[in-house]
Amino acid sequence: GENVEQHPSTLSVQEGDSAVIKCTYSDSASNYFPWYKQELGKRPQLIIDIRSNVGEKKDQRIAVTLNKTAKHFSLHITETQPEDSAVYFCAAGWSGSARQLTFGSGTQLTVLP
Amino acid sequence: NAGVTQTPKFQVLKTGQSMTLQCAQDMNHNSMYWYRQDPGMGLRLIYYSASEGTTDKGEVPNGYNVSRLNKREFSLRLESAAPSQTSVYFCASSEPPGINNSPLHFGNGTRLTVT
Repeated sequence: GENVEQHPSTLSVQEGDSAVIKCTYSDSASNYFPWYKQELGKRPQLIIDIRSNVGEKKDQRIAVTLNKTAKHFSLHITETQPEDSAVYFCAAGWSGSARQLTFGSGTQLTVLP
Repeated sequence: NAGVTQTPKFQVLKTGQSMTLQCAQDMNHNSMYWYRQDPGMGLRLIYYSASEGTTDKGEVPNGYNVSRLNKREFSLRLESAAPSQTSVYFCASSEPPGINNSPLHFGNGTRLTVT
């Protein structure tokens, strides 16, 4: 099955700096890579996703890049703000498969004022 | 439109007791899922139901059973709770990923403690 590794497990940045979280996956058949944000005590919510037919996707201050050859993908957050503090999870899976996703272990991002 | 609703929010069980976690969604999604979340281990799939009438094991199914009661409802049962099942449980629903950009929609979670 799929195995997803996520690094780092914790990340502290100064407000206004950029943050990068990296994930690797094992199954070359995976073609769907979402990122979820979970604030303390809340449910995970999708913030951005990418499919294997593109290498990069942006949505305002967040972007995701995908390197299919190396089987890794990354989340980039620019101009970080205190409200970006949360746990971020990457995931990998097959588009169209109801079995859904294998998640990484999560990154606790803390944005220091 | 409530999305995904889970009950209860909190539960404490003694070892060997049983309980059922309830989940309902009002988004007309075909697929539903149960995950558990443990510190440092992300979200791990327990069981899923691709559509009404079908259920399949996920990554960590031992000690659990599920029932897809109808399209809206998907319950998770612990027949004989063990301390290792202390966790936060999330129900989720979706269309298959990548179809119409449908993400996983999670419920608010159930915090279960087994003593």
